[in-house]
This record gives sequence, structure tokens and C-alpha cells, in this order.
Amino acid sequence: QITLEESGPTVVKPTQTLTLTCSFSGFSLDNSGVSVGWIRQPPGKALEWLALIYWDDDKRYSPSLKRRLTITKDTSKNQVVLTMTNMDPVDTGTYFCAHSGVRDGYNSHFFDYWGQGTLVTVSS
Amino acid sequence: DIQMTQSPSSLSASVGDRVTFTCRASQSISSYLNWYQQKPGKAPKLLIYVASSLQTGVPSRFSGSGSGTDFTLTISSLQPEDFATYYCQQSYSTPLTFGGGTKVEIK
Repeated sequence: QITLEESGPTVVKPTQTLTLTCSFSGFSLDNSGVSVGWIRQPPGKALEWLALIYWDDDKRYSPSLKRRLTITKDTSKNQVVLTMTNMDPVDTGTYFCAHSGVRDGYNSHFFDYWGQGTLVTVSS
Repeated sequence: DIQMTQSPSSLSASVGDRVTFTCRASQSISSYLNWYQQKPGKAPKLLIYVASSLQTGVPSRFSGSGSGTDFTLTISSLQPEDFATYYCQQSYSTPLTFGGGTKVEIK
């Protein structure tokens, strides 16, 4: 079965860079059409999509955060890494990674499997 | 970017009630609309994809409809485990966007 798990620091200081790792099993990011995305959720607020990386290493980012985000994959390790620079207290929240599979031969762009999320607090 | 607006932001209902809530896109997204359920402290769970397809394992009391800009999620008979927050998400184009959520509370 497909599982995903986020890992990374629980606390970062303002202006620091956050690095989160999504470790997954049950699928391969080598498979055509598959992607992994990152979504975050500030406490008590709605979900916000951040970034997506496809099987062919194509990448998509939220326009409002594009300058601060980098998403990469290591297919041999079954991992996806998200880095976010210049962290601010408003970036505090739970960060989720999620699997997006294939539908009708193309990436579905919806998320059918999620990690449990990791809470990141930005504080000095 | 395509903006997703959900209404109402919250509602109170009783077990057994039929509840319906809506999601509106700022432009046509065909049927590329998905619904998630989220309980406190948990990851979202996919319920409905491409407007009306029920995800495997999701009870049949959940149904979705709509196309273009207006979509609805209906729970035919609310169960205790359905009290949660529901989000819509468009998968028509990147950037992918979510609605603000509808919280279903116990009356």
C-alpha cells in the first residue's frame, strides 16, 4: 500500500531555511504520470498547495511562494525534498506531502494518499 | 490563479440530516473538482474526485455533482463520524487551489 511520511525540524528561526523530507513507499516516482505534492495548513486555517514534482522531474510552484521554494526528488531513496527559504512566523503550520496518481493517462492533480503531516513552528 | 469559494463556512446539523454545501470556482474548471474531509489533527482524506467519482472505500452517503463553476457535496444522512471540515480543490490547472473549507458541527 502507499504510505508517505514527512520529516524535518519542528522549530526554525526567522530568516532560516526549512528543509522537509517526504519518504514514501508503495509507488515509484519513476512511473509515468505520478507526482508528489506539498501542501501546508496554518493552525486553524485552510489548506494551501505549495509545490508539485512529476515523474519526469517537471516542477510546479505556488506563484506567491515560488521565489522561496525548491522541490527535488531522489528516486533511488523514494524521497521528495522541499526547501523554503527566509522563513517567517506566518509560515508556521502543518506541512503535508501527498501522492497524486494517474488518471486517463495523465497526472490526476488530486491527492489520494497523504502523510500525517509535520508541524513547523517559526519562532526566535 | 483559480479562486475556490466554499459556502457556508460552517453549518450545524443533526445526525440523520441531509446536508449539502457548495464550492464555486472563479472560472470554468470543467469537472476537475475534488472534495476532501479533514478531522482535527489528521491529514485530509479524498472523498470525491472529478466532481462525482467516489473514492474507493468512501461510504455511498457521500455524493458530488456539478460542472463548470458550481459544485456541491451532499451527505445523504449525516453520521457521527462525518463531523469534520470539508475542502474542495480544483485540479484543472496549476497552481492547484483549495477552498476555504466548510466545517460541519453538531447541532
